[in-house]
Amino acid sequence: DTAVSQTPKYLVTQMGNDKSIKCEQNLGHDTMYWYKQDSKKFLKIMFSYNNKELIINETVPNRFSPKSPDKAHLNLHINSLELGDSAVYFCASSQGQGGETQYFGPGTRLLVL
Amino acid sequence: AQTVTQSQPEMSVQEAETVTLSCTYDTSESDYYLFWYKQPPSRQMILVIRQEAYKQQNATENRFSVNFQKAAKSFSLKISDSQLGDAAMYFCAYMKTSYDKVIFGPGTSLSVIP
Repeated sequence: DTAVSQTPKYLVTQMGNDKSIKCEQNLGHDTMYWYKQDSKKFLKIMFSYNNKELIINETVPNRFSPKSPDKAHLNLHINSLELGDSAVYFCASSQGQGGETQYFGPGTRLLVL
Repeated sequence: AQTVTQSQPEMSVQEAETVTLSCTYDTSESDYYLFWYKQPPSRQMILVIRQEAYKQQNATENRFSVNFQKAAKSFSLKISDSQLGDAAMYFCAYMKTSYDKVIFGPGTSLSVIP
């Protein structure tokens, strides 16, 4: 049983395309996140949703738009992809945001050519 | 702004030996949480250990323990009896309080030598 799943695991696409990454958690958690890990392994939060509501929105280009249809899903849509968007994107979830452990998905490696 | 620093980009340890990974952070808060996450080559992020700042007792999880020095803003991870499966990237992380983001350090790459 996969706790936090992401699809796809790998994504290769051309500059200028639009793509989506899906995330689902079956842990019953209230809070979900998107992180970006760059080529130097630096991990930074992008967005956080609590019960389908946006809680954290870091300084991310507005080409990135998260969507949470329900509290078990948090998808990430990226418009007009750029070379600098190449990274590993991680979805995570936690029960609340009071310092609870975050459970991470396997990551989606995005390569923009 | 809160920051997390890991001054050792790379470390190595002999199998069965003990290694300590360093982490310091900057905050003006008195109540917060600290974490160590492990990322093996499979790239899965796995929680190793979690510490609540208001607890003076250092957290332990089997072979993993921390040395939490609140006044010094230091949170080091000790791995005892190192195993080959411990080889990974280790990230120290800080979280202020509710509804705030987790801030990750730059990571320490740990190699385990057989």
